[in-house]
Amino acid sequence: EIVLTQSPGTLSLSPGERATLSCRASQSVSSSYLAWYQQKPGQAPRLLIYGASSRATGIPDRFSGSGSGTDFTLTISRLEPEDFAVYYCQQYGSSPLLTFGGGTKVEIK
Amino acid sequence: EVQLVQSGAEVKKPGESLKISCKGSGYSFTSYWIGWVRQMPGKGLEWMGIIYPGDSDTRYSPSFQGQVTISADKSISTAYLQWSSLKASDTAMYYCARYNPDWNWFDPWGQGTLVTVSS
Repeated sequence: EIVLTQSPGTLSLSPGERATLSCRASQSVSSSYLAWYQQKPGQAPRLLIYGASSRATGIPDRFSGSGSGTDFTLTISRLEPEDFAVYYCQQYGSSPLLTFGGGTKVEIK
Repeated sequence: EVQLVQSGAEVKKPGESLKISCKGSGYSFTSYWIGWVRQMPGKGLEWMGIIYPGDSDTRYSPSFQGQVTISADKSISTAYLQWSSLKASDTAMYYCARYNPDWNWFDPWGQGTLVTVSS
């Protein structure tokens, strides 16, 4: 069973700062099958990144994804006020077929 | 515009049955999988299962196998999530989302259906 561990649990930063979020898998994950989502309070999640590094349609280029194997990173180059939210990574692979990480909350410092 | 619209909030008693829906529009409903995701109050996202409306092929998370039933009616572009006997622990927000296994993404997501189970 693949487990995705996200760290830190909470990231306290100021607007304009750089955010670096980690997603670590218990087994190797194909880069093609690692995605990131953003969820704001009271809203459904939104796809940000798929294939570890490809931005979804309409996602600003301040969001970038990288990584391979068991270590993946979501970077927000300069935080905008609307970026304060919870971020989840998600993989497709072996049993269970699909898994989400526990989430990282990016909060205003 | 690709859109998934879910049925409204439900309040049920333990032991009751329930079926919630997710209607797709703006794309070929039979060409993409639909997934269901649970979010318990204040918690993270949990994948429940996916269905391919084209042939009703369904895959469940081991955590939800036997606990829920996922189905679809392609004639009306609608997927369903149902329970035969609700428990208080089923209280959660449930999201549907279009799923593409070629690139592993859920997009877009429905607005969510809040299910409250309380005596």
